[in-house]
Amino acid sequence: DSGVTQTPKHLITATGQRVTLRCSPRSGDLSVYWYQQSLDQGLQFLIHYYNGEERAKGNILERFSAQQFPDLHSELNLSSLELGDSALYFCASSTRTGRNEQFFGPGTRLTVL
Amino acid sequence: AQSVSQHNHHVILSEAASLELGCNYSYGGTVNLFWYVQYPGQHLQLLLKYFSGDPLVKGIKGFEAEFIKSKFSFNLRKPSVQWSDTAEYFCAVSRNSGNTPLVFGKGTRLSVIA
Repeated sequence: DSGVTQTPKHLITATGQRVTLRCSPRSGDLSVYWYQQSLDQGLQFLIHYYNGEERAKGNILERFSAQQFPDLHSELNLSSLELGDSALYFCASSTRTGRNEQFFGPGTRLTVL
Repeated sequence: AQSVSQHNHHVILSEAASLELGCNYSYGGTVNLFWYVQYPGQHLQLLLKYFSGDPLVKGIKGFEAEFIKSKFSFNLRKPSVQWSDTAEYFCAVSRNSGNTPLVFGKGTRLSVIA
């Protein structure tokens, strides 16, 4: 158990819908990263938040957005879902020391039908 | 931009065989290097990490990796694999400058047969 929690574990929805994935970092970690894992693209970085502020964006679609709240939990919002958005979505947190050791949550498996 | 190459897509070994998984990265600056393991149906777990110092790093479960700066490589090794090592292994790199995203390789699937 890494100490990073994600809900829900599984999500099945239809094309065109909107979903919200939630992540709580390890106690004391200020950084939250979101990654998408799919069979064809592998593990891809989506977005990084540090203490409530967006720090970096990766291959994140405009239909996707995220935020980090004052209690440091983060939410990833996916809208106008397409079949190709089906994937595992992981969040990770890291300490403030700058060594960038990231601890991953169990992931949310999203299936778009 | 950084990139990570893992040369082997799928490796099949018998129990007690030795393992070496290749990883090369492209980035000119100072990097942090990681190997993560993902057991079937589970999340990513950190196997080992390199930040600086001794280029031979030891991780959990008997794994080790060697950083060779001149070759931009960070290969993972284990002298004797077990059936329970069956998993997907990911090499990752990040810039050594604060909290930065990880760039992952495509992963290597290891199947250990009895």
